[in-house]
Amino acid sequence: SQKIEQNSEALNIQEGKTATLTCNYTNYSPAYLQWYRQDPGRGPVFLLLIRENEKEKRKERLKVTFDTTLKQSLFHITASQPADSATYLCALDHPGGYNKLIFGAGTRLAVHP
Amino acid sequence: DTGVSQDPRHKITKRGQNVTFRCDPISEHNRLYWYRQTLGQGPEFLTYFQNEAQLEKSRLLSDRFSAERPKGSFSTLEIQRTEQGDSAMYLCASSLAGGGRSYNEQFFGPGTRLTVL
Repeated sequence: SQKIEQNSEALNIQEGKTATLTCNYTNYSPAYLQWYRQDPGRGPVFLLLIRENEKEKRKERLKVTFDTTLKQSLFHITASQPADSATYLCALDHPGGYNKLIFGAGTRLAVHP
Repeated sequence: DTGVSQDPRHKITKRGQNVTFRCDPISEHNRLYWYRQTLGQGPEFLTYFQNEAQLEKSRLLSDRFSAERPKGSFSTLEIQRTEQGDSAMYLCASSLAGGGRSYNEQFFGPGTRLTVL
């Protein structure tokens, strides 16, 4: 079965620096991969989607890369701000279809002033 | 507010009791999902509806769990004879499928936090 690995330890960075979060998966390569943000006590919020034939996707200060050879996605937040502090979840589509998602455990990001 | 809503936000119950949660998806969305999330983990898929049809159920969903989506609008998730292991955040999400799109972002509700004593 598909397994998704995200850094289990929290990532602490200084304001203004670039945060880089990693998502590794095993088994099959998904048709697409999504990144979500989750704040404590709230539901996940969609950030970016990248398809298997795309290498990179950008949205404002966010950048996602997708390497199907390495079975890895990197999520970057440039010029990070304390408001970016949250847990970031990586999600892959399930081969069974229906847009069913398999989520990683998430990485908690803390941006310090 | 036109986002996904869930009710109640918190539920505390005693072991053995039945509980029911409600989810109101974004009105034009035809797909509705239920997930369960425990502390320190990502959401785990439970079940999925396309309009009113329940098309898939995870093996995580024991016989004590049942979900419905009458008329393809709101959905309910019922847990019978609750156990302490059922304590978790139950998340509902919706998405719009069709028009040639085979993948879509999911919009999540705030979740219902269940505590079974």
